[in-house]
Amino acid sequence: GNSVTQMEGPVTLSEEAFLTINCTYTATGYPSLFWYVQYPGEGLQLLLKATKADDKGSNKGFEATYRKETTSFHLEKGSVQVSDSAVYFCALRPNFGNEKLTFGTGTRLTIIP
Amino acid sequence: GAVVSQHPSRVICKSGTSVKIECRSLDFQATTMFWYRQFPKQSLMLMATSNEGSKATYEQGVEKDKFLINHASLTLSTLTVTSAHPEDSSFYICSARDWASGSTDTQYFGPGTRLTVL
Repeated sequence: GNSVTQMEGPVTLSEEAFLTINCTYTATGYPSLFWYVQYPGEGLQLLLKATKADDKGSNKGFEATYRKETTSFHLEKGSVQVSDSAVYFCALRPNFGNEKLTFGTGTRLTIIP
Repeated sequence: GAVVSQHPSRVICKSGTSVKIECRSLDFQATTMFWYRQFPKQSLMLMATSNEGSKATYEQGVEKDKFLINHASLTLSTLTVTSAHPEDSSFYICSARDWASGSTDTQYFGPGTRLTVL
């Protein structure tokens, strides 16, 4: 079956530090890959996505590249801000058959001023 | 962007009682809504897919008689946990798909409901 493994948290960084949150997946075929973010008290929001190998999703300074050879979709940001403190979820969706999302466990990120 | 609300945000109930959780799409029509469950430090697990006007499709291992889902309108789906027990304590999250957006990736999530069964 499909599965997503992401870096366990919590992760605590100082403001302006470089961020990487690792995500690897197992899936049949070529799924679409997503990063969702959940700010305190709010619902999950789509942060970025990539639908095929070598695609790079980007939004709000965050980036992730779909690496088929390593089955990975690591999230990166060059300089984090306090407002980036949230829980980040990696997810995949098969491109055929259904629209169900499979999520990772989430990584809580805290940025210290 | 589109907003999905859930009510209540938190609920505490006694073992054996039933609890209803509402999921509403506030500014769009949602022909499909999804219900997830999240245990501490674990991923969101899809429980069921709810289509307006028809019976929900439950994932393997989810008891449909225990987790009753109703999607009677294009903006409201409800999840009723019947005869709740402490092991049902969890974080329940719904999402709604905006068909009008034309994208199957456009799922909007509610903020979740924390259920505690004593």
